[in-house]
Amino acid sequence: QKEVEQDPGPLSVPEGAIVSLNCTYSNSAFQYFMWYRQYSRKGPELLMYTYSSGNKEDGRFTAQVDKSSKYISLFIRDSQPSDSATYLCAMVYDKIIFGKGTRLHILP
Amino acid sequence: EAQVTQNPRYLITVTGKKLTVTCSQNMNHEYMSWYRQDPGLGLRQIYYSMNVEVTDKGDVPEGYKVSRKEKRNFPLILESPSPNQTSLYFCASTKDGRYDYGYTFGSGTRLTVV
Repeated sequence: QKEVEQDPGPLSVPEGAIVSLNCTYSNSAFQYFMWYRQYSRKGPELLMYTYSSGNKEDGRFTAQVDKSSKYISLFIRDSQPSDSATYLCAMVYDKIIFGKGTRLHILP
Repeated sequence: EAQVTQNPRYLITVTGKKLTVTCSQNMNHEYMSWYRQDPGLGLRQIYYSMNVEVTDKGDVPEGYKVSRKEKRNFPLILESPSPNQTSLYFCASTKDGRYDYGYTFGSGTRLTVV
């Protein structure tokens, strides 16, 4: 079983929809959970991070962590075409492990 | 502007011809790292450096060298590139080696080895 699993997509949704992106993991030692956004021809940029179970909100973005199920999610409300990108989850114990990324297309 | 700068952005080279990809950061970060990103494989760490003169292997170090003589610079050296090193390379840095602070990534170097 891979340490971090993430559906590669692509995921296409209409503008204004709520987007749900997910990762599962197998290592219960992970302490920090992050989401990075990567636009085409750019490096990843940190979007959100959290270190505990529960929800963390930042504008249209909500990160959710369920440590008991080893499952993390990123929700995007009122999605915009500018949200079209690849989203990578990342998790940390003594090193950082990235998911392979989910390609998201927001259709105008 | 706080940033990680990589050069070149695009490079096509031939097998066996030594090359260096430069990386520089202006944030006074102690920790710097090199990744390669390949379709279906995601980001894989090549080498990292906790501080000046301290470097260590990541998950895929074979065929690569690094050095950290100054805090701001962390070049990646391919002494004898091979086609399987064709990839998208990213340099990244973070303060105090704290992953929870988040990495700052460069814009990437797309390398093609023919």
